[in-house]
Amino acid sequence: AQSVTQLGSHVSVSEGALVLLRCNYSSSVPPYLFWYVQYPNQGLQLLLKYTSAATLVKGINGFEAEFKKSETSFHLTKPSAHMSDAAEYFCAVRGSGSEKLVFGKGTKLTVNP
Amino acid sequence: KAGVTQTPRYLIKTRGQQVTLSCSPISGHRSVSWYQQTPGQGLQFLFEYFSETQRNKGNFPGRFSGRQFSNSRSEMNVSTLELGDSALYLCASSLDGVNTEAFFGQGTRLTVV
Repeated sequence: AQSVTQLGSHVSVSEGALVLLRCNYSSSVPPYLFWYVQYPNQGLQLLLKYTSAATLVKGINGFEAEFKKSETSFHLTKPSAHMSDAAEYFCAVRGSGSEKLVFGKGTKLTVNP
Repeated sequence: KAGVTQTPRYLIKTRGQQVTLSCSPISGHRSVSWYQQTPGQGLQFLFEYFSETQRNKGNFPGRFSGRQFSNSRSEMNVSTLELGDSALYLCASSLDGVNTEAFFGQGTRLTVV
């Protein structure tokens, strides 16, 4: 069974600082991995996805994530935080051949001026 | 291209009532999944429909049901509402549900009083 652990339910950074949101996965099959962002009272927006084509994945809004099989990690980074990045971020895994997304508990990102 | 549309956006119901939520997927998408989001349990998979057939079901009681129509639009129904059913219900659509990414609607906020 697939599972996802997001380390840190709250992360606070200063505007312009590096953003690092951690995600570790557990999967018995090669996984598809996703990062979604959720703004208050909104649905989920896909930031990026890993589907085994490349280990470094670039997404929207300057975010990227690196798949590290040896560490079973898929951490999300952005070199320079912007106030508009304040939101909740979810890492999700889906096993090959499965329709079901399994989400982490989410990390709420605060960006301080 | 229109996104995933969920109606209504907000709903208030009384314990014991039933409720029906609607989801219109992106044009051409044949897979529709439903998720429940609560502060305590996070995002949990309810079920997934593809070509009018339920392909996968999460660990929810039988009070939660759904269906999909020939135009891929989907409805979910919750009968005999309980206070604990208060949540944000999210619908996601994808081309085939297995190998393609899911796009989420803005959700329906259900409050049970």
